[in-house]
Amino acid sequence: EIVLTQSPGTLSLSPGERATLSCRASQSVSSSYLAWYQQKTGQAPRLLIFGASSRATGIADRFSGSGSGTDFTLTISRLEPEDFAVYYCQQYGRSPEVTFGQGTRLEIK
Amino acid sequence: EVQLLESGGGLVQPGGSLRLSCAASGFTFSIFAMSWFRQAPGKGLEWVSAIGGSGTDTYYADSVKGRFTISRDNSKNTVYLQMHSLRAEDTAIYYCAKDQITGDGIWLMSYWGQGTLVTVSS
Repeated sequence: EIVLTQSPGTLSLSPGERATLSCRASQSVSSSYLAWYQQKTGQAPRLLIFGASSRATGIADRFSGSGSGTDFTLTISRLEPEDFAVYYCQQYGRSPEVTFGQGTRLEIK
Repeated sequence: EVQLLESGGGLVQPGGSLRLSCAASGFTFSIFAMSWFRQAPGKGLEWVSAIGGSGTDTYYADSVKGRFTISRDNSKNTVYLQMHSLRAEDTAIYYCAKDQITGDGIWLMSYWGQGTLVTVSS
C-alpha cells in the first residue's frame, strides 16, 4: 500500500498570496495517478486535479498540479477567499482501493 | 447535472445494522462504477467499498470486509451499502462517489455526494 504524506499540516496565508502544498508517496505512483481534492467545512470533497497536473472540469486556472514519481505539488497562484479549505492528495489507478494523504489545512492568516 | 443523494444514516447501537442508499441522476448510471468513502469526525478520508457498473464486481476495505455489502439497482439508479455488526469506529460521514470515466479501468471518483452521517453508540 502506498502511503501519502502531506506537508505542511497547516498553512497560514493571506488572500492574494501563493500557496504551495506538498504530497510525498512512500513509493512511486504509477502513470502519475495522483489527484488533489478540496474539502470545505461541511461539504463533500471536490476533485481539483487528476493525473498529477490535469485540472478537473470547472476548476479555475489558478490551481495547478505538478510532480511525478514520489513527489507532487499543488499550487494555488493567487489565493481567493473561497480557497481556504482542507486539501487532500490521493493515489488511484487500476484498483478501487485508493489511499489519501492526511490533508493540509489552508487557513487565513 | 450530476447529482448524488445519500440517505439512510442515523444513530445505531453497536452490533446493529443500517442500510445506506445513494440515489443518482444526471448521468447514465448503469455504465459507471461507484464507490463509498467515509470520514470519521475531524479525520481524513477513507475508501470503504466499490462496485462496477453491472454490479458483478465488488470490492471492500479490510476494515469492513465481511460486515458491509455493496450493491446497486440500475433500474432505480441507486447504489446501496448494507452495514452489519457496526462498531463505534464505523462512526463517520459516508459519501458515495461516481467514477470519472467509464470503461477505462481507472478508478478515479470525480463527483461526490454530500454524505450521510452514521453514528454508532449506545
